[in-house]
Amino acid sequence: DFQMTQSPSSVSASVGDRVTITCRASQDIGRWLVWYQQKPGKAPKLLIYAASTLQSGVPSRFSGSGSGTDFTLTISSLQPEDFATYYCQQSNTIPWTFGRGTKVEIK
Amino acid sequence: QVQLVESGGGVVQPGRSLRLSCAASGFTFRNYAMHWVRQAPGKGLEWVAVISYDGSNKNYPDSVKGRLTISRDNSKNTVYLQMNSLRGDDTAIYYCARDRGIQFWLGHFDLWGQGTLVTVSS
Repeated sequence: DFQMTQSPSSVSASVGDRVTITCRASQDIGRWLVWYQQKPGKAPKLLIYAASTLQSGVPSRFSGSGSGTDFTLTISSLQPEDFATYYCQQSNTIPWTFGRGTKVEIK
Repeated sequence: QVQLVESGGGVVQPGRSLRLSCAASGFTFRNYAMHWVRQAPGKGLEWVAVISYDGSNKNYPDSVKGRLTISRDNSKNTVYLQMNSLRGDDTAIYYCARDRGIQFWLGHFDLWGQGTLVTVSS
């Protein structure tokens, strides 16, 4: 199975900060990388697919980049509603697998 | 309103069975592959099943193969997850999710239900 490693596992940041989360795949997945946001008690929400394509309705402060094995999610200016846990997922090969998540907390 | 609503969760003893349902509305259900994704309490996400738009293809990770079975009824806009021989590590919130692809699966999920909690305990 493809292993997905996210770092850091948590980050403390302030409103307005730039936040970057990384995701590394155990094998080349091309650009088959997806990012989700999950708030406590809620279902995940699709943010970005194909490594860098923003899902409809997602604010432009979110961006994704990378290909092959190394990927990043960047929040350019953190907003109060962005405090959540973020997961990467590879959609290259079944079984589709997720990273363990990165919790973005208030500093 | 575009939505997925899961039901059927609860407390079940180890070794027993449970069937989850997910009712879809607000979109053309028969055009989309559907998935189940689970999340153990305080843990990350695990994909556990997919079914193609017409029900002809299914797939599972090895961790659940042979115990979990996904099915769908396009006349009822509903997808199911039959869970047999349940174990403690099956305890999780089970989410139903729609694949973003139309008539083929892409392996990622653009619409999620609210989830239903399954607790396996004696």
